[in-house]
Amino acid sequence: DIQMTQSPSSLSASVGDRVTITCRASQTISSFLNWYQQKLGRAPKLLINTASGLQSGVPSRFSGSGSGTGFTLTISSLQPEDFATYYCQQTYNPPYTFGQGTKLEIK
Amino acid sequence: QVQLVESGGGVVQPGRSLRLSCAASGFTFSNYAIHWFRQAPGKGLEWVAVISYDGSGKSYADSVKGRFTISRDNSNSTLYLQMSSLRAEDTAVYYCARELAIIAAGRREFDYWGQGTLVTVSS
Repeated sequence: DIQMTQSPSSLSASVGDRVTITCRASQTISSFLNWYQQKLGRAPKLLINTASGLQSGVPSRFSGSGSGTGFTLTISSLQPEDFATYYCQQTYNPPYTFGQGTKLEIK
Repeated sequence: QVQLVESGGGVVQPGRSLRLSCAASGFTFSNYAIHWFRQAPGKGLEWVAVISYDGSGKSYADSVKGRFTISRDNSNSTLYLQMSSLRAEDTAVYYCARELAIIAAGRREFDYWGQGTLVTVSS
């Protein structure tokens, strides 16, 4: 199975901050990398597909980059509604594994 | 609008069975592969199973292989997960999700998810 490692596991930041979350795959996954946002008690919401494709309806302050084994999710200016847990997921090979999550908290 | 609505969760004793359903609407269900994911309390997301658009292909996570069976009824736009020999470690919120795949573009993602149904395995 492909292992996905996210860092950091948690992050404290303020409204207006720029934050970056990193995701690393244990083997190359091309650009088969998605990012999801999950709020407490809710289903995951797709933010970024194919490493850098902004999902329809997602604010442009979210962006993704990377290919191969290293990927990043950046939020350019944090808004109050962005405090949530973020997961990367590889869809290169089944099982479609996730990173362990990054919990973004208000400082 | 696209909707996926899970049902069938509840409290069940270890070793017993339970069947989850996922009712789809707002899209042509028979055109899409659909997956089950789960999330144990306070934990991350885990892929569980997938079924192809026509039901001919199925795959399972090692953790549930031989115990869970995925199926679908395209005439009623409904997905199922039959869970048997349940264990405490199967306790989780179970989500169904639609797969959007454009492989030539290097793209496979899960664009719509249900709200989840909680399964608790406990004596």
